[in-house]
Amino acid sequence: GAGVSQSPSNKVTEKGKDVELRCDPISGHTALYWYRQRLGQGLEFLIYFQGNSAPDKSGLPSDRFSAERTGESVSTLTIQRTQQEDSAVYLCASSRQVNTEAFFGQGTRLTVV
Amino acid sequence: AQKITQTQPGMFVQEKEAVTLDCTYDTSDPSYGLFWYKQPSSGEMIFLIYQGSYDQQNATEGRYSLNFQKARKSANLVISASQLGDSAMYFCAMRALNSGYSTLTFGKGTMLLVSP
Repeated sequence: GAGVSQSPSNKVTEKGKDVELRCDPISGHTALYWYRQRLGQGLEFLIYFQGNSAPDKSGLPSDRFSAERTGESVSTLTIQRTQQEDSAVYLCASSRQVNTEAFFGQGTRLTVV
Repeated sequence: AQKITQTQPGMFVQEKEAVTLDCTYDTSDPSYGLFWYKQPSSGEMIFLIYQGSYDQQNATEGRYSLNFQKARKSANLVISASQLGDSAMYFCAMRALNSGYSTLTFGKGTMLLVSP
């Protein structure tokens, strides 16, 4: 596709359930980022993938959060045993090189009830 | 470690006036890139402008320009001739360039409101 694609666009889940969020980056983009944005807040870094290198997981808030990416393709962010505090928009972005802009997807709005 | 500071939670400007949104940064990397993004109420993140730390001239893109002062570690965004459609959240971000492995760090953002 032409842009970064995220699915689902909206997800409502019950507290305690696991959720999986998907990100399809722009083809050829080696870098992929996941961010969390709570209502009215800034972007909170979660995890960063660069090519086939080990990901930078320093932003993951707890061990309930994990992410995978195979090569330079799709990435999935998994949240286990969701809590109400996990409610937020989860944004994915990709970039071709370090000195080029990152393109963002439309985000997944997660609501934990 | 990288850090971006945006000290203005909100800014007001009248239509057709210019406005400056502040951004200061901190990094130990000698080579880095600075980015500005706009996020309207729809939630999408729109890239506006990029400045490399070794660029000789300040970046400009249409009505957007970046007032880059390397010694002061500031990268303020200047929007000329504000329009109602400029009302949005604005984020400053940076990334180290030399390491080849560096995440994109964002500031907390500034909400800009343009009034008629």
